[in-house]
Amino acid sequence: AQKITQTQPGMFVQEKEAVTLDCTYDTSDPSYGLFWYKQPSSGEMIFLIYQGSYDQQNATEGRYSLNFQKARKSANLVISASQLGDSAMYFCAMRPSSARQLTFGSGTQLTVLP
Amino acid sequence: DTEVTQTPKHLVMGMTNKKSLKCEQHMGHRAMYWYKQKAKKPPELMFVYSYEKLSINESVPSRFSPECPNSSLLNLHLHALQPEDSALYLCASSQPREAASAGNTIYFGEGSWLTVV
Repeated sequence: AQKITQTQPGMFVQEKEAVTLDCTYDTSDPSYGLFWYKQPSSGEMIFLIYQGSYDQQNATEGRYSLNFQKARKSANLVISASQLGDSAMYFCAMRPSSARQLTFGSGTQLTVLP
Repeated sequence: DTEVTQTPKHLVMGMTNKKSLKCEQHMGHRAMYWYKQKAKKPPELMFVYSYEKLSINESVPSRFSPECPNSSLLNLHLHALQPEDSALYLCASSQPREAASAGNTIYFGEGSWLTVV
C-alpha cells in the first residue's frame, strides 16, 4: 500500500520569500512518480511538477523546485519568490508503476501575506 | 488553460432529479478518471476508464453511473443522489501506460461543484 504524509495543515509566507512544503511517502514499489498539485479556491487541480523515482536530478519548473531525498522518502516542494496568487491548497501525490491511480496527501493550505 | 474541460461548473439538483456531468479532454489521452472531493480533503478516486473501458470502480454507489462514449469524452450520470453527495467532482485524464513517467501525469479539469438539496 502507498501512503503520502503532509504534516503542515497550514503555512504562511511573506510575499517574495521562499517557502518549503513538506511531503514524505511510503511505497514498496521501486518505480514511482511523485507529483505536486495546486488547488486554488476555484477548485481546479493544477499540475505543478513531477519527479521520477529514478531521476538523478531534482525537478524544477520555473519558481517551483522539488527537493527529492530518496533515502529519506521525502519530496518537498520549494516555491521561490512567493506571490499572492500562490495562496492555495497544495497536494503531494504519488503514483507507483504498479498502480493506475494517484495516492494523495492530506494537503497544505498556503497563505501568502502582502 | 486546462485542456480538460468540465460542464457544468455548478449544479444544484434535487434528490429525485437526473442530471449528468460532462468532461472532455483534448490531449489524446486514453485514460480518464472521475474523482470526488469534499471540502478540505484530498480527491477520492471513483472510476477509471482505460481505452474506453471501465477498469476501476472504487465501490461507488449505483446512483453514480459513468459513461465513456469515446476516447475524449467522459460522463457521470447522477440519479437519486443524497445531500452527502454534495462535493466537487473532478475529471482527469492521462496516458494509460503502467510505468511511472512524466508522460503519465494525470491532468485535471476545473471541476463541477455539485449541491444536492
